[in-house]
Amino acid sequence: AQSVAQPEDQVNVAEGNPLTVKCTYSVSGNPYLFWYVQYPNRGLQFLLKYITGDNLVKGSYGFEAEFNKSQTSFHLKKPSALVSDSALYFCAVTRNTGFQKLVFGTGTRLLVSP
Amino acid sequence: NAGVTQTPKFQVLKTGQSMTLQCAQDMNHEYMSWYRQDPGMGLRLIHYSVGAGITDQGEVPNGYNVSRSTTEDFPLRLLSAAPSQTSVYFCASGARRGEQFFGPGTRLTVL
Repeated sequence: AQSVAQPEDQVNVAEGNPLTVKCTYSVSGNPYLFWYVQYPNRGLQFLLKYITGDNLVKGSYGFEAEFNKSQTSFHLKKPSALVSDSALYFCAVTRNTGFQKLVFGTGTRLLVSP
Repeated sequence: NAGVTQTPKFQVLKTGQSMTLQCAQDMNHEYMSWYRQDPGMGLRLIHYSVGAGITDQGEVPNGYNVSRSTTEDFPLRLLSAAPSQTSVYFCASGARRGEQFFGPGTRLTVL
């Protein structure tokens, strides 16, 4: 069975500082990994994905994530946080066979202070 | 290009009532799915479809029915609403190996 763990309910960071939102996963076979962001009262917006290839994936709004197979992790990072990055972030995983049945983590709330 | 649309945005039901949540996409995606979002639990897959005429159960299918008669539409039916079905419902669509695109959500309250 697939599973995703986001160990931090909330991450606090000052504007201009680097941010990291953690994600670890469990899946049989090779994973497809995704990060989504949700702003208040909105749907989920896609940020980035890892399918295959380079372990460092770059996505929207300056975010990036590093796939680490040995540690089964896919942490989301940004070199310099903005107040507007404050939102709820979800990591998701699916197997690389057939169509996607995404399994989501419980989400991490990012709060960037001015 | 409207993407994924959902109606209604808000709905209040009484226990035992039935209703249909509508979802449509205009991106010609094969894959469509329904999730529910509850506080502290992330999103959980209810039902999904890999093409017109093909549907399957996700993680939490009880109390819900789906059908997919066209590529564009994927309605979710609540057969007999229960308070435990109070949630925010999201429809999504995507292509094989690609990311999923989410609709704006339907906030459902069952009294």
